[in-house]
Amino acid sequence: SSELTQDPAVSVALGQTVRITCQGDSLRSYFATWYQQKPGQAPKLVIYGENNRPSGIPDRFSGSGSGNTASLTITGAQAEDEADYYCNSRDTTSLHVLFGGGTKLTVL
Amino acid sequence: QVQLQESGPGRLKPLETLSLTCAVSGGSISSYYWAWIRQTPGKGLEWIGYVYYTGTTNYNPSLESRISMSLETSKRQFSLRMTSVSAADTAIYYCARGESMVRGTTLYFYMDVWGTGTTVIVS
Repeated sequence: SSELTQDPAVSVALGQTVRITCQGDSLRSYFATWYQQKPGQAPKLVIYGENNRPSGIPDRFSGSGSGNTASLTITGAQAEDEADYYCNSRDTTSLHVLFGGGTKLTVL
Repeated sequence: QVQLQESGPGRLKPLETLSLTCAVSGGSISSYYWAWIRQTPGKGLEWIGYVYYTGTTNYNPSLESRISMSLETSKRQFSLRMTSVSAADTAIYYCARGESMVRGTTLYFYMDVWGTGTTVIVS
């Protein structure tokens, strides 16, 4: 399968830890990439590679993966982390770019 | 730093051809993938395709019969052309810069620079 699957919605209490997951066969060969998108804005890269954060992304964001599952963890979620999160990789054969359906994170 | 800016018609009629351009400023247009992604209202991200700096293209199979992409290095821009548009093509269209790397036996692909998006309405 060349799809990426995410839970549609996740919630977390302010200051607590939340994990957003992404599943797909391509993740056995590709590290997942994670993007954050807030209403009215373009997606923003938050995690890429094994666990790399672009400049300006807080260290409370981290990534991990095992087998066909990748996770984005936010340790100590803040109100400003409320957003949609998308995972991304590529199909190993076709090299088509894949996106998960997105997870809406609500910070309570 | 590198910035991308989409430009396009905004509104067009069914069956017309959509042409979008993404201007690249502040960095090299070489050694990267140059991608188009769209997002329909209230929905997720859909990859449309990319053109590599060598000119090689790769398209979403669901759109492949209607799209073409090109890179104009001298103008520091890349373009998307989509024929026979319909209401289903109404979306925000983003351009983005992509990079692919290898770490050990694992690959990664990411898009680190995005344009602000341009809204296309087919009506």
